[in-house]
Amino acid sequence: GQNIDQPTEMTATEGAIVQINCTYQTSGFNGLFWYQQHAGEAPTFLSYNVLDGLEEKGRFSSFLSRSKGYSYLLLKELQMKDSASYLCASMDSNYQLIWGAGTKLIIKP
Amino acid sequence: DAMVIQNPRYQVTQFGKPVTLSCSQTLNHNVMYWYQQKSSQAPKLLFHYYDKDFNNEADTPDNFQSRRPNTSFCFLDIRSPGLGDAAMYLCATSKETSGSYEQYFGPGTRLTVT
Repeated sequence: GQNIDQPTEMTATEGAIVQINCTYQTSGFNGLFWYQQHAGEAPTFLSYNVLDGLEEKGRFSSFLSRSKGYSYLLLKELQMKDSASYLCASMDSNYQLIWGAGTKLIIKP
Repeated sequence: DAMVIQNPRYQVTQFGKPVTLSCSQTLNHNVMYWYQQKSSQAPKLLFHYYDKDFNNEADTPDNFQSRRPNTSFCFLDIRSPGLGDAAMYLCATSKETSGSYEQYFGPGTRLTVT
């Protein structure tokens, strides 16, 4: 079956660094997405990894290991506005996204 | 700005009363998706259109129907809403060219069933 696992909730302190992990099992693989979703709003695109390694984009970085079926999203210099859910999604062989339930990130002052 | 627009943002309907949600896009993307998302859950794909080709997910209830009259517009019809259909409905688009599979989401319609 197809499955995405990510922690339900994490807490971090403003200004710190947090890493959100995601493991995936999908029928085929065409890349791994991370989306940010604030409460009551639509998901917004953060990153797309299809090759192994680290992709850096400002305060956010995303890492992929295809052999391990593993990705993480790294958030640096955390700000209060980063409080949101972070959804991991794997694209399967039919180019459909298989979504995780999201990790709710709580930032404390 | 090019975007995905959903109307209405909030919809209240009565149990069993048909309701239609709309989505439009100015991105000229060939693929459009409808997702259902309940609180603290993953988005659940209901349908998608690849150009005019309609693709229904196997576990999408018959109560849900969709129409895409042209490239820009897509509708979700819920024929007889039940209490379990209360959710956020998200429309998304993508332009499936080589290497570009990002989905762009509209703001969503939150449906309440009374």
